[in-house]
Amino acid sequence: EVQLVESGGGLVKPGGSLTLSCAASGFPFTNAWMNWVRQTPGKGLEWVGRIKTNADGGTSDYAAPVRGRFAISRDDSKNTLYLQMNSLKTEDTGVYHCTTVHLIRGVVWGRGTLITVSS
Amino acid sequence: DIVMTQSPDSLAVSLGERATINCKSSLTLFYSSNNKNYLAWFQQKPGQPPKVLINWASMRESGVPDRFSGSGSGTDFTLTISSLQAEDVAVYYCQQYYNAPLTFGGGTKVEI
Repeated sequence: EVQLVESGGGLVKPGGSLTLSCAASGFPFTNAWMNWVRQTPGKGLEWVGRIKTNADGGTSDYAAPVRGRFAISRDDSKNTLYLQMNSLKTEDTGVYHCTTVHLIRGVVWGRGTLITVSS
Repeated sequence: DIVMTQSPDSLAVSLGERATINCKSSLTLFYSSNNKNYLAWFQQKPGQPPKVLINWASMRESGVPDRFSGSGSGTDFTLTISSLQAEDVAVYYCQQYYNAPLTFGGGTKVEI
């Protein structure tokens, strides 16, 4: 079964940092381009960024609101995706999901992990 | 970026009646090399994560009732609930995954 499970959410103060993880199973993670998507009270559903496979260069792209503050990485040996979030702002509060496009299934979403940025 | 325009914003349907939601993309979502439309529909109930109902514009996910169907190709797509049940009250979204950034329709709130 194709599955994505996020973890690492919590409460953090403005300006703080947090790292999210996404454990993947049921598909060849090494071959998958992976995305982070968030759902915030202010903007609704919003793509955060994505990382290509290492075979495709392993590069990442980011949405403008998070560029320079967030970094996506992957550890193919652990089938895990990461989102390092720095300089967090209150508007980053929301639920963060990892997603991928499976060649047979189509888009697959994890259940998400909640980030609350508040003093 | 591909803009996804969803309509209507909200919809009130009687139990057992048909609900139809439309989604229009600013660029084609059809990839000719594999004959697939890179569009999904998902359902979200309060306090719950999104649940993917339809992939590739018309392929129902395993376990999704057959009253849910997706149709369309290219830039125009439709989600139909053939006979609305009480448990279908939710917000429905379309999403394109043709290219990054992934983008979403604004959502349609379906009520009884």
